[in-house]
Amino acid sequence: EAQVTQNPRYLITVTGKKLTVTCSQNMNHEYMSWYRQDPGLGLRQIYYSMNVEVTDKGDVPEGYKVSRKEKRNFPLILESPSPNQTSLYFCASSFQLNTEAFFGQGTRLTVV
Amino acid sequence: GEDVEQSLFLSVREGDSSVINCTYTDSSSTYLYWYKQEPGAGLQLLTYIFSNMDMKQDQRLTVLLNKKDKHLSLRIADTQTGDSAIYFCAERRASGGSYIPTFGRGTSLIVHP
Repeated sequence: EAQVTQNPRYLITVTGKKLTVTCSQNMNHEYMSWYRQDPGLGLRQIYYSMNVEVTDKGDVPEGYKVSRKEKRNFPLILESPSPNQTSLYFCASSFQLNTEAFFGQGTRLTVV
Repeated sequence: GEDVEQSLFLSVREGDSSVINCTYTDSSSTYLYWYKQEPGAGLQLLTYIFSNMDMKQDQRLTVLLNKKDKHLSLRIADTQTGDSAIYFCAERRASGGSYIPTFGRGTSLIVHP
């Protein structure tokens, strides 16, 4: 089954404790991206990747890192999480620049 | 102002038609999308339209694009309770090889009996 898988689905952590949210897709897509969704603000792009070893900042990259060492995986790293990073995070992938994006189920992160 | 604007809420009666509206600002947008998000789930692509089209119909869904006014709408015929969800309008611009998707804030569709 074609899908985008994020882990974990739910995470509660403390300020400053490094964490990684994993994202994996099995569709051989080139393009992957991370979004955060906050009430009243909709979806905002954090980082995106056009291919292996090619990543770029989205609209709200501060406080986040990503890596794309292999095509299928695109982890989101929070080196020192802060409460304002409490949000719902979505990973998405697409085959080409202008084709539909497939979204993961989301990761609800709470930083206390 | 925002790049993509939508009203936040829409309430309709079951069986009626729903029309969700969206405006965007970038005339270079090549593709425009409608995504549906059900509670606790990720976004799913409902339909999309190329910028050189005016209308696209897919079963109960009709997308209308007015490029002059930069206005996109999604009409759902015979709305059912299962259509209750948040609907996101999105534009995707081809800009120097970059991937720049922009989403609206989402319209919560509430369908009541």
